[in-house]
Amino acid sequence: DADVTQTPRNRITKTGKRIMLECSQTKGHDRMYWYRQDPGLGLRLIYYSFDVKDINKGEISDGYSVSRQAQAKFSLSLESAIPNQTALYFCATSESEMGQTYNEQFFGPGTRLTVL
Amino acid sequence: DQQVKQNSPSLSVQEGRISILNCDYTNSMFDYFLWYKKYPAEGPTFLISISSIKDKNEDGRFTVFLNKSAKHLSLHIVPSQPGDSAVYFCAAIGAGGTSYGKLTFGQGTILTVHP
Repeated sequence: DADVTQTPRNRITKTGKRIMLECSQTKGHDRMYWYRQDPGLGLRLIYYSFDVKDINKGEISDGYSVSRQAQAKFSLSLESAIPNQTALYFCATSESEMGQTYNEQFFGPGTRLTVL
Repeated sequence: DQQVKQNSPSLSVQEGRISILNCDYTNSMFDYFLWYKKYPAEGPTFLISISSIKDKNEDGRFTVFLNKSAKHLSLHIVPSQPGDSAVYFCAAIGAGGTSYGKLTFGQGTILTVHP
């Protein structure tokens, strides 16, 4: 079983619709992240959460919101989807360790979202 | 403002030869650098990393070189194998400021290794 799962894997929706992408992890990690990947732009950070009570905006948070329902679950919402939110979305997790700048991030398989 | 740049969108090499993927960065607060590999329909997976206190890190066929003065790093794959064909992302993370604890990715380079 995959350690980081994302649902749905593919979604096609229309402009103006509300969409929720879900991420679950069984790794027991405190930190969770949402990224989007666009051709020629790499992965860009949307939101991140260092623990259940901590939510932070990333590089491109406008038009998105998140909810950290539990240590294992981190959802990304598009309140009113628009075509330029068509992208590949990845969830990732990492451990937290005092004094450690970086711990490896583990990525889910991605959700391909198309907004018509 | 792209703080991590991979200026080559694609690279094609012959099996057995060396693949060299390059990455430049602009933020002097970055102190840890990573390479991720991504196959189609999968999430990125960690490949190799290097701390800013080193100039080289080697893991099997993969070596990462860091030139801090030039703000440049490169990934060498020797020998290249067809299974190495994937998208490679360079990423950086900072010791403080707005880059603390967060990965900043480059645009990615598509590597194709021909048999």
